[in-house]
Amino acid sequence: GAGVSQTPSNKVTEKGKYVELRCDPISGHTALYWYRQSLGQGPEFLIYFQGTGAADDSGLPNDRFFAVRPEGSVSTLKIQRTERGDSAVYLCASSANNLARGTGELFFGEGSRLTVL
Amino acid sequence: AQTVTQSQPEMSVQEAETVTLSCTYDTSENNYYLFWYKQPPSRQMILVIRQEAYKQQNATENRFSVNFQKAAKSFSLKISDSQLGDTAMYFCAFTLYGGSQGNLIFGKGTKLSVKP
Repeated sequence: GAGVSQTPSNKVTEKGKYVELRCDPISGHTALYWYRQSLGQGPEFLIYFQGTGAADDSGLPNDRFFAVRPEGSVSTLKIQRTERGDSAVYLCASSANNLARGTGELFFGEGSRLTVL
Repeated sequence: AQTVTQSQPEMSVQEAETVTLSCTYDTSENNYYLFWYKQPPSRQMILVIRQEAYKQQNATENRFSVNFQKAAKSFSLKISDSQLGDTAMYFCAFTLYGGSQGNLIFGKGTKLSVKP
């Protein structure tokens, strides 16, 4: 597609449930990033993929969070046993190259707003 | 660890006027990028302007310009001839350059309102 696409746009779930958030990056972009943006805050880094592998997952808050990118394109962020504190907008971004070596620009999607009741 | 601080939670400006948004950062590294991103209500972060730390000249993109003071670790954004469409959250961000991997570190943002 022309831009980064994220689905669903909004997700409401109950505490303890499992959720999946999907990101379809710009075609040809090898680097993919997940960020979490809580209300009134700036985005916080979660995980970075270069191709199929997670190059940096240091931002994942705990082992309930997991992300995959099996074919080096679409990525899925998975959250198990959701808690109310997981409520946030989850942003996905992609770039043509490793952020630190390329132009430094990330292209963002519109995010998935997760609400845990 | 790198940090980014935006000390102005909210700003307002009259249409056609000029406004400056502040940003300071902390790093012990010498090679990095600085950015300003705009986030309208649609939630999509849009790159406004980028500055490479090794460049002394301040970046400019049409009505947007920066005042980059490397020694002071300051990176302010000036918006000239403000337009109603500039109303949005503005985030200052930082990333290291030249490493094996990288990610953007964001400030908490400044909410800008342009008034008619």
